[in-house]
Amino acid sequence: DQQVKQNSPSLSVQEGRISILNCDYTNSMFDYFLWYKKYPAEGPTFLISISSIKDKNEDGRFTVFLNKSAKHLSLHIVPSQPGDSAVYFCAASALQGAQKLVFGQGTRLTINP
Amino acid sequence: NAGVTQTPKFQVLKTGQSMTLQCAQDMNHNSMYWYRQDPGMGLRLIYYSASEGTTDKGEVPNGYNVSRLNKREFSLRLESAAPSQTSVYFCASTERTSGSKQYFGPGTRLTVT
Repeated sequence: DQQVKQNSPSLSVQEGRISILNCDYTNSMFDYFLWYKKYPAEGPTFLISISSIKDKNEDGRFTVFLNKSAKHLSLHIVPSQPGDSAVYFCAASALQGAQKLVFGQGTRLTINP
Repeated sequence: NAGVTQTPKFQVLKTGQSMTLQCAQDMNHNSMYWYRQDPGMGLRLIYYSASEGTTDKGEVPNGYNVSRLNKREFSLRLESAAPSQTSVYFCASTERTSGSKQYFGPGTRLTVT
């Protein structure tokens, strides 16, 4: 039972264009959502988060959108840069309790020059 | 400030051997977590420790044990390694008052033959 799903295993985008990564979840108890970025042979690093009381959070080139009714969130990167090439994981948790994260399968983003 | 450190970085075991993966954090975080990452499956929670002195099972605890040695250190033990435990293992920590943002170590790549 995959509670957090990233249905696109890979995405290829031209440098300078917008990258859009998508994530769906099924558990309505989730109220906090995060995106992590992972380079090969490194641990995931936190990118941006959003709580369920918001529908948008922006940090520089990165924006996360949350659609609670559709149980869907997306990460927009604009403009995309070669250094953005990495695997991106969507994660979800409930703010109460032990704050365990449930991760999606990841999307490999490749930015082409 | 080292953040989250893990040892060893790489390990090869034969089936039936035992080993302990070490994790330490220097951020004075209360909660610590062990995940495994397998291709196409994202990161899955093995065990977590919400606070010093407590440990709980995550999604995939079978074949593993943990010890929260003190506030800084959280170890993961494989008593009798199996090929199905071939994976990359990540330790993470969080200060619970800051939401669910977790900080990850660099990972341990384990191969069981």
